[in-house]
Amino acid sequence: DQQVKQNSPSLSVQEGRISILNCDYTNSMFDYFLWYKKYPAEGPTFLISISSIKDKNEDGRFTVFLNKSAKHLSLHIVPSQPGDSAVYFCAANGRVGKLTFGQGTILTVHP
Amino acid sequence: GAVVSQHPSRVICKSGTSVKIECRSLDFQATTMFWYRQFPKQSLMLMATSNEGSKATYEQGVEKDKFLINHASLTLSTLTVTSAHPEDSSFYICSASGDSDQPQHFGDGTRLSIL
Repeated sequence: DQQVKQNSPSLSVQEGRISILNCDYTNSMFDYFLWYKKYPAEGPTFLISISSIKDKNEDGRFTVFLNKSAKHLSLHIVPSQPGDSAVYFCAANGRVGKLTFGQGTILTVHP
Repeated sequence: GAVVSQHPSRVICKSGTSVKIECRSLDFQATTMFWYRQFPKQSLMLMATSNEGSKATYEQGVEKDKFLINHASLTLSTLTVTSAHPEDSSFYICSASGDSDQPQHFGDGTRLSIL
């Protein structure tokens, strides 16, 4: 049972445009959501998070939106840069510490 | 930001060998450390949660006698894959958290290849 789903395995965007990565979840007990970025042969790097009491959190070029009623969150990157090319994982936290990850989305930003 | 160091980054060994992977939090005390496994093109799957000074909590389907976890201090947790076989070949990643309000920070992972 995949409780966190990233239905788009890949996304290709032109440099300077907006990248939108989507994530859906099924467990209503999740109360904290995170996005991680991962390069090959490296561990995930924390990007941005959002608590379930909020619907938006912004940090520089990265904004995470949470729609609790739809059990959906998205990560917006604007403007996208070639260095943003990586695998992006969304993760959800339902009890202290335990993260459930989505399958990841490969983002490619073309110059 | 918080730094988590994982060692070794890559291990290639013969079937039947036991392999130890170390995970260290370098600039903070990690009350909880986590061990994940990632298969190719799949998500990170939590294997176990490790709390300093107590026994690890294993996820369903993870053999605790196969994957021994020790969390002897607030900065070090180890995962030992005992009598490793080719099906244990995978990418193992640890993470650490200082407290429940902080995101987990990940090591760079260990690529384990069993011949």
